[in-house]
Amino acid sequence: AQKVTQAQTEISVVEKEDVTLDCVYETRDTTYYLFWYKQPPSGELVFLIRRNSFDEQNEISGRYSWNFQKSTSSFNFTITASQVVDSAVYFCALSEPLNTGTASKLTFGTGTRLQVTL
Amino acid sequence: EAGVTQSPTHLIKTRGQQATLRCSPISGHTSVYWYQQALGLGLQFLLWYDEGEERNRGNFPPRFSGRQFPNYSSELNVNALELEDSALYLCASSLYSGGNQPQHFGDGTRLSIL
Repeated sequence: AQKVTQAQTEISVVEKEDVTLDCVYETRDTTYYLFWYKQPPSGELVFLIRRNSFDEQNEISGRYSWNFQKSTSSFNFTITASQVVDSAVYFCALSEPLNTGTASKLTFGTGTRLQVTL
Repeated sequence: EAGVTQSPTHLIKTRGQQATLRCSPISGHTSVYWYQQALGLGLQFLLWYDEGEERNRGNFPPRFSGRQFPNYSSELNVNALELEDSALYLCASSLYSGGNQPQHFGDGTRLSIL
């Protein structure tokens, strides 16, 4: 069975600090996809990034960066120079591969609540 | 481009009643997913519809059901409501089924059972 663990329940930082959100996953599949979503107080889940299991390149998008390490089954997310608008709950998710016939189901971690204060 | 739209925003019901939640996917998306986000339980996969058929369902009782219409919109029906059904129900859509397609979520319907 697939599992996603976000050990950090809540993180509080002061604006402009860097913060890293941890995500560890478990799967027996060799092909899978990892995602990060952001859920601001308004409730909607906002898609941030998708990474497939064959691509271990790190990615940077503005103040966001992601570190995917297959050897440790981790897909960590770093926000550089955090801002108050980054305050939200962040979810890491894992999708099952297509060939099982159960494609597209997302398994979510329990989320990390990030609070950025002035 | 309009995002995933869900209605109603809030729904208040009493135990034993039935609830119907609606979802319109992003134009061009054929797959629709339903998730439940209950307090303390996180986001749980409920149902997946693709091309009008139910493709997969999560570990929920049969009183949770739904359908997908020819225009790809979807309904989630919950019968015999119980207090623990109180949750935020999120609908998502993707361009087509497949684990690599990102799911785009709506704002959710908050269902409260009194």
